[in-house]
Amino acid sequence: SAVISQKPSRDICQRGTSLTIQCQVDSQVTMMFWYRQQPGQSLTLIATANQGSEATYESGFVIDKFPISRPNLTFSTLTVSNMSPEDSSIYLCSVSTGERGFNEQFFGPGTRLTVL
Amino acid sequence: DAKTTQPNSMESNEEEPVHLPCNHSTISGTDYIHWYRQLPSQGPEYVIHGLTSNVNNRMASLAIAEDRKSSTLILHRATLRDAAVYYCILRNFNKFYFGSGTKLNVKP
Repeated sequence: SAVISQKPSRDICQRGTSLTIQCQVDSQVTMMFWYRQQPGQSLTLIATANQGSEATYESGFVIDKFPISRPNLTFSTLTVSNMSPEDSSIYLCSVSTGERGFNEQFFGPGTRLTVL
Repeated sequence: DAKTTQPNSMESNEEEPVHLPCNHSTISGTDYIHWYRQLPSQGPEYVIHGLTSNVNNRMASLAIAEDRKSSTLILHRATLRDAAVYYCILRNFNKFYFGSGTKLNVKP
């Protein structure tokens, strides 16, 4: 299994500003994933973050809006840039590891973002 | 991307079995079927997964239709701690595509 922590746990931000969310894993993992969960909705995959290469973004998400860093095998950041109220969501990171490999993802507790 | 369809909510009595349905009519031959659940204020957690055959583990059972266009998550004896949103997910390689989820309410 993997234990994942995220910082901050929640934040309230003004429109037009940017917020960087940190994701720390207690073991080395190859793939990390970032998701968005809008209020009352399901999870949507934003991008896959691999160490040593650029992140791979899903349709509807772009690097200028959601830049991602992956400096090592235990850490990643997601920045939400030039925020608007529509960016108010819970942002979660996850990793695939353990004996089930790709069959199991472990999720962090999420970062609850409110944009005013 | 393949899609899944789930009922918005279901209700069960404690210690009774629960059958949570999921339709995935556009599933491809290489998509795995996963179920995760999300407790309030937590990230989702793994429940079970399968490809073609029915699967059992200590948490639940997964029944997959022969044509793979639908599946059912079975909780054999629901407890109050099983109250959560249950997501039916199709996995393509390393990517998860979440369905809308079913909110399960368990009554004592």
